[in-house]
Amino acid sequence: EAQVTQNPRYLITVTGKKLTVTCSQNMNHEYMSWYRQDPGLGLRQIYYSMNVEVTDKGDVPEGYKVSRKEKRNFPLILESPSPNQTSLYFCASRRAGGRETQYFGPGTRLLVL
Amino acid sequence: RKEVEQDPGPFNVPEGATVAFNCTYSNSASQSFFWYRQDCRKEPKLLMSVYSSGNEDGRFTAQLNRASQYISLLIRDSKLSDSATYLCVANLPGTYKYIFGTGTRLKVLA
Repeated sequence: EAQVTQNPRYLITVTGKKLTVTCSQNMNHEYMSWYRQDPGLGLRQIYYSMNVEVTDKGDVPEGYKVSRKEKRNFPLILESPSPNQTSLYFCASRRAGGRETQYFGPGTRLLVL
Repeated sequence: RKEVEQDPGPFNVPEGATVAFNCTYSNSASQSFFWYRQDCRKEPKLLMSVYSSGNEDGRFTAQLNRASQYISLLIRDSKLSDSATYLCVANLPGTYKYIFGTGTRLKVLA
């Protein structure tokens, strides 16, 4: 089954404790992206990657890091989480090219205390 | 001004009604547009892409008006299962940057 998976799905942590949210896709997609969704603000793009070892900032990259060492994986790293990073996070992937559909993972709910 | 704006709603409509949503975008260079559906904080799922000539998929019709910089979604014969939040998305040409609207909430009532 074609899918994007994220882990963990739910996470409660404390300020300053480094965490990683994993994202994996089995569709051999070139493009992957991370979003956060907050009430009243919609989905905002954090980082995206056009292919292995190629990443770029989205609209809200501060406080986040990413890496793309393998085509299928695109982890999101919070080196020192803060309460304002409490949010619902989605990973997405798609093929390269024009009007390709983005497929989203199920989301990760993060609470930073 | 937000880059992609939508009326948050909620739009409460009876079953069988026709409902239309508009979405405006501020960057005239935006080239690709999409409507996504999102159920109760689950992942967004593509409803349809929006083509310049307009396109239809069953009860759903999407249109693009470049002169006025808006896209629309028309839902005919609304079903209870259409209750969801509808997200408008714009993509700049040559980039992988996607700008999402905050969504329009639809409630279809029995």
